[in-house]
This record gives sequence, structure tokens and C-alpha cells, in this order.
Amino acid sequence: EPEVTQTPSHQVTQMGQEVILRCVPISNHLYFYWYRQILGQKVEFLVSFYNNEISEKSEIFDDQFSVERPDGSNFTLKIRSTKLEDSAMYFCASKNQGADLEQFFGPGTRLTVL
Amino acid sequence: EDQVTQSPEALRLQEGESSSLNCSYTVSGLRGLFWYRQDPGKGPEFLFTLYSAGEEKEKERLKATLTKKESFLHITAPKPEDSATYLCAVQATWGQNFVFGPGTRLSVLP
Repeated sequence: EPEVTQTPSHQVTQMGQEVILRCVPISNHLYFYWYRQILGQKVEFLVSFYNNEISEKSEIFDDQFSVERPDGSNFTLKIRSTKLEDSAMYFCASKNQGADLEQFFGPGTRLTVL
Repeated sequence: EDQVTQSPEALRLQEGESSSLNCSYTVSGLRGLFWYRQDPGKGPEFLFTLYSAGEEKEKERLKATLTKKESFLHITAPKPEDSATYLCAVQATWGQNFVFGPGTRLSVLP
């Protein structure tokens, strides 16, 4: 069964450093998303991406964040200068182009900012 | 503002003891309501999509129902492997993002 994959599974970084989280969405999907989940809290929407551009973003997704689809298979989230409060699980999700609305989530990257 | 609440926060059941989880939502036009299962340290795993009041979906021991203000996830004769956090999410008509509830942490004891 096709699935969303994410790398790395765990990333430890120093405050102020740049990190890039990588995702490979399901191959025939065209809509891509990033969510985050701070430990013990709700899953929160960050950004949606379609047709090589951001289609929607939340207040969390400020100028420190960017997304890119560098090739036909990868989808990345970059945090330019990490803060302690960026520590969270980051989930990538994808959706197909049909009428079905459900988003399929990857296993997540645990980001720890020291 | 779109909001999702879930109750109870945590639920402990004996194996075989059926129960229901509640998801209440406030959204400016519902496009879809979704149930996911999340195991510790893992990503949400899709279970069901419900589109309109009165709709029901079933999968093994799980059945999801939808009204205009809430959804229920009924678990019939649960097994220990059903232990997980169950997340409810809504998508509004106008947007693409999902708004998640805090989840119900279910423990099924053998």
C-alpha cells in the first residue's frame, strides 16, 4: 500500500540553525501539507501546497518557514533559524486530486531544538 | 473560528466492553469530518471521512456517525490492539486545512 515517508525520523539541532525536513508524498498525489504537533498538544496545520505554490498557510507559518518541491517526488519544509519553541513532531501529508478529501500522513520527524 | 473538542480525554475499557467517543465541532460550513487513529510517536492513520449529517461508516469494530454538531466513534467489543489516541478533524468549506481536536486516549485492557 502506498505511503508517505519522511526523513529524518529524529533531528536534533542548536537554536538558530537551519533545518530541512524531507517528505516523499504518495506518488499520484498532488496536494501536500505540513502539520506539527507539540508534545501533548493538538495537531496544528502549517501550510498547504498545490501546483508548485502555497495555497494556504497558518499564522504559525511565518517568514522563518518555507516549503519547496525541488523535484517530482520530494516535498521539503525549511526552518531558517530554529527556536526552542519549534521543537515538535512535524508531519507531512498528501491528498489525491480526486473528490476524496482525506489526507494521508507520514510517520513524522521529531525535531528537538537545544 | 473553527473548533473541535473531544470527550472523554481518556477512556479505559475492558476487552469486549463497547463504548463511544464524542467529537463536537463548530465550523463555518462543513466540508468533511475525519477520524484518525494515532499510536504513540507515529503519524495519524486515516479511518473515516463523513460528509453530511446522518452518514455512517463502518470498519471492523469501529463505526462513525455524524450529526450537524457532533460525531461519534462507536467501538464494539474492543481488543487491546485498539488502544490508541483517536483524533477527530474537520475541514471547512472554504479551506484546505484540517482543524484537529485534542484526541481521546483509549486504553483497552485484556
